[in-house]
Amino acid sequence: SAVISQKPSRDICQRGTSLTIQCQVDSQVTMMFWYRQQPGQSLTLIATANQGSEATYESGFVIDKFPISRPNLTFSTLTVSNMSPEDSSIYLCSVLVTDLYEQYFGPGTRLTVT
Amino acid sequence: GDSVTQMEGPVTLSEEAFLTINCTYTATGYPSLFWYVQYPGEGLQLLLKATKADDKGSNKGFEATYRKETTSFHLEKGSVQVSDSAVYFCALTGTASKLTFGTGTRLQVTL
Repeated sequence: SAVISQKPSRDICQRGTSLTIQCQVDSQVTMMFWYRQQPGQSLTLIATANQGSEATYESGFVIDKFPISRPNLTFSTLTVSNMSPEDSSIYLCSVLVTDLYEQYFGPGTRLTVT
Repeated sequence: GDSVTQMEGPVTLSEEAFLTINCTYTATGYPSLFWYVQYPGEGLQLLLKATKADDKGSNKGFEATYRKETTSFHLEKGSVQVSDSAVYFCALTGTASKLTFGTGTRLQVTL
């Protein structure tokens, strides 16, 4: 398995500002993912972040709004830019443990935009 | 595209009751199937998985069998406990290892 930490665990932000969420994993992984879980809803994939290449965004998500960095095999950041109340969600990163073909999730970052 | 359909919740059971949470899927190719659990205030935990037809995944008394003929992966447990109260998500991986989740089923177990 993999142990994943995220910072911050929660934040309250004003509309129009940006927040950068950090994701750290305790082992080297090729594939990392960022998901959004809106209140009471399921998880939606935002983008796939592979080290050494640009992130791949899912339909409905764009780089200008959710820029992602992946500087090495254990770390990634997701920025939520120019926030509005509709961005209030839990943001989760996950990693793929290749030899098990299993995805493990961080504890999430609970974001509230006022 | 890929999709996962779960039974609507909440499911309310008495302790020691039998649990079934239905999950069916639509996918191209041969997906791997997963159940994740989210306890109150916590992140997602992988509960069990199955990677090919007729595989049975099991963990903590929970079981699910990959049924290709019915495109189903129903979660079962013979005797639930109050500590099993959580939201359960069925999911599959299709192309590029991306997870597609169902809507989640909230389980509440009472004494």
